[in-house]
Amino acid sequence: DTEVTQTPKHLVMGMTNKKSLKCEQHMGHRAMYWYKQKAKKPPELMFVYSYEKLSINESVPSRFSPECPNSSLLNLHLHALQPEDSALYLCASSQDAGTGGLKLFFGSGTQLSVL
Amino acid sequence: KQEVTQIPAALSVPEGENLVLNCSFTDSAIYNLQWFRQDPGKGLTSLLLIQSSQREQTSGRLNASLDKSSGRSTLYIAASQPGDSATYLCAPFGNTPLVFGKGTRLSVIA
Repeated sequence: DTEVTQTPKHLVMGMTNKKSLKCEQHMGHRAMYWYKQKAKKPPELMFVYSYEKLSINESVPSRFSPECPNSSLLNLHLHALQPEDSALYLCASSQDAGTGGLKLFFGSGTQLSVL
Repeated sequence: KQEVTQIPAALSVPEGENLVLNCSFTDSAIYNLQWFRQDPGKGLTSLLLIQSSQREQTSGRLNASLDKSSGRSTLYIAASQPGDSATYLCAPFGNTPLVFGKGTRLSVIA
């Protein structure tokens, strides 16, 4: 199984809503990532979890809250988002987040619209 | 901070042509470089990964080369097909997690 599964595929939410994005992999990878991608732009890193601990947070607003309950699961909790947060949110995983020549596997993303 | 540039930004070619996509990066202290393909509104699919110690990698009609010292990589696509139409992104991996170029948007016309 070489898949990273993201749910939901599409999400529409109001600015006062609370929602969560989910990501799952069963490749035994110990590093998982959240990226945000606006239309016609490259993905931008938000968070990196390595061995279930947050290792990198690229100064993302606190209205985005990541959670890594175990090595296979990664959640992104959303609260009080703004319309400019509308984007494709991509989850990825790799064997670990270290140095050794690691292939990154991406999910198909969640297309988020904030009204 | 790693900066990645991809040229051209967009490319439209007739079916059957061979083509080259270029990627340059500013920090040559990398462990590997990956080329990805992205279809509109979809996730990224890894095409090729070149380790820093390698010069090139091949998969089917795709060949990627890496010149780490000069901070350059190229993706060569042979005998292009309409199904190759997508955005192609390169991403060097160094001391910070993957930084992506803005991509080359490829359109192959039947």
